Amino acid sequence: TQLLEQSPQFLSIQEGENLTVYCNSSSVFSSLQWYRQEPGEGPVLLVTVVTGGEVKKLKRLTFQFGDARKDSSLHITAAQPGDTGLYLCAGVLGGTASKLTFGTGTRLQVTL
Amino acid sequence: NAGVTQTPKFRVLKTGQSMTLLCAQDMNHEYMYWYRQDPGMGLRLIHYSVGEGTTAKGEVPDGYNVSRLKKQNFLLGLESAAPSQTSVYFCASRARWEVQETQYFGPGTRLLVL
Repeated sequence: TQLLEQSPQFLSIQEGENLTVYCNSSSVFSSLQWYRQEPGEGPVLLVTVVTGGEVKKLKRLTFQFGDARKDSSLHITAAQPGDTGLYLCAGVLGGTASKLTFGTGTRLQVTL
Repeated sequence: NAGVTQTPKFRVLKTGQSMTLLCAQDMNHEYMYWYRQDPGMGLRLIHYSVGEGTTAKGEVPDGYNVSRLKKQNFLLGLESAAPSQTSVYFCASRARWEVQETQYFGPGTRLLVL
């Protein structure tokens, strides 16, 4: 059973378009993270959101944590080919080790 | 400062063979994790460690064992490999008191079990 479901699974868009990726769960997380992974490499953290309703911006990327801390979204404005990659959300369940529960992933391809 | 490194990068095993994957970090992190990544399933936690000499089971621990004899190393063992263990394995580490709870990942080990 996957605790975190991401949609869409795949997304192919042209440079300059906007897009939103969703991360949904029935569980409450103490915080939620977004990672980007490029082929042949490990995931790299983009952002951590902690407070319900929190919005964080990272250049053209906007991250939002749901009010109930069960869901999150990633919005990219004016996508560029450099945004291509696998986007993973990960919920932090808390506890001493702060284990992560990863989402199913969204593979984004941005073409010229 | 190499961060998190993994050895080997790629390995082919026959069913029933054993092997050990090595993860090393030079950031003096207390927490270390082993994940497997399969298509359409994100990353799933196999085992983790909150400090030298301690290990705990994650979401999918069956068929794997781990050891953390030194703070900087976290070993993942497959005693008798099965085709279902074909996957890409990632190691990660994290500082205990880091506010953002950032996990730093290695480049992965691609394992094929025939």
